[in-house]
Amino acid sequence: DTAVSQTPKYLVTQMGNDKSIKCEQNLGHDTMYWYKQDSKKFLKIMFSYNNKELIINETVPNRFSPKSPDKAHLNLHINSLELGDSAVYFCASSAEADRNEQYFGPGTRLTVT
Amino acid sequence: GNSVTQMEGPVTLSEEAFLTINCTYTATGYPSLFWYVQYPGEGLQLLLKATKADDKGSNKGFEATYRKETTSFHLEKGSVQVSDSAVYFCALFYNQGGKLIFGQGTELSVKP
Repeated sequence: DTAVSQTPKYLVTQMGNDKSIKCEQNLGHDTMYWYKQDSKKFLKIMFSYNNKELIINETVPNRFSPKSPDKAHLNLHINSLELGDSAVYFCASSAEADRNEQYFGPGTRLTVT
Repeated sequence: GNSVTQMEGPVTLSEEAFLTINCTYTATGYPSLFWYVQYPGEGLQLLLKATKADDKGSNKGFEATYRKETTSFHLEKGSVQVSDSAVYFCALFYNQGGKLIFGQGTELSVKP
């Protein structure tokens, strides 16, 4: 069983489109995250949710909107995609009591053309 | 602000060589420190951690010691294998901030 799963694994789309990436964890964790990894492998947090509530919101364009329907899911919706959004997006989760030990999904490689 | 700096990669070694990947941090107070590893095409996995000064984290033959006096957390392994080829990330965590701050990653390539 995959602990943290993401779909799709690859996403190729054109500028201006709207797309979503889905994330699910079956670890029973309360906290979930979205990270962006750029072409130089630099990894930066975008959002964090705890029990469906937003707790971390870094300086991210408001074209990015996370949605947590329940504590096992955290989806990322991106409006009006731009070339600079091309990256690998990682979902992660952790127990509330142990937020420093995060479990990562396999990543979604987004390419905007 | 809080930050993590790692040595530039890529690092290329022969099998059974000794590995050191340097990591230093800037932080107020006493964060927890981590090494994560990313194998090709996969997400990050926690490799080891240390939560206070002089703690040594270890796993799979890798070790790192939390050095407060030098604000460092260097990763070492005595004898690398081809299967260790990956990107290694040093990170710090503050309970108050509630987020991991990563270094830029160091790519390791081990040749047979």
